Amino acid sequence: DAKTTQPNSMESNEEEPVHLPCNHSTISGTDYIHWYRQLPSQGPEYVIHGLTSNVNNRMASLAIAEDRKSSTLILHRATLRDAAVYYCILRGGGSQGNLIFGKGTKLSVKP
Amino acid sequence: GAGVSQSPRYKVAKRGQDVALRCDPISGHVSLFWYQQALGQGPEFLTYFQNEAQLDKSGLPSDRFFAERPEGSVSTLKIQRTQQEDSAVYLCASSLAQGLVNQPQHFGDGTRLSIL
Repeated sequence: DAKTTQPNSMESNEEEPVHLPCNHSTISGTDYIHWYRQLPSQGPEYVIHGLTSNVNNRMASLAIAEDRKSSTLILHRATLRDAAVYYCILRGGGSQGNLIFGKGTKLSVKP
Repeated sequence: GAGVSQSPRYKVAKRGQDVALRCDPISGHVSLFWYQQALGQGPEFLTYFQNEAQLDKSGLPSDRFFAERPEGSVSTLKIQRTQQEDSAVYLCASSLAQGLVNQPQHFGDGTRLSIL
């Protein structure tokens, strides 16, 4: 699975939108972009995934660049409960499914 | 519904002791993964099961680590002759099917292992 690059940390104010970037310049055509987050003292939690088109679900939106070399996870209104480490992960079509985590982005949310 | 359950939540052991960590995946989930997470790092893959078959154990750090899933549901990760460097959070995850990149993995909250 290809490597991703994320900022180490970001800060946001409560109730404001948050844009978490991820670079994956070596992405292949069959790689899906997955996002997980990990709240303190909990296991990682699936957030969203996509291939080419932008995706929305109840938790977040995923915006994928046209060349697929970068993506952005969008939290529309950050809450204190969104404070977590966010991981951007590529999953290839030929993989058995285990996730390859980087260090992620630690998101702090200020009240 | 019930998620992935891991026990114990915390385990303290003396160096040299053997430990066993349990994972109850979501019922019906075929794939089961174990990960190790050191402090301040992302989880790292240890081993993978499809039903009862251990298809990949390439991430196990040494032959002191052993995992099994004899009936294709509950899994146990065993560490023999524990060392201080084994201190970490051990995470278990399950997913419905094998190898499908659209399938999310569902994680337990982990077992925090401390070796004194």
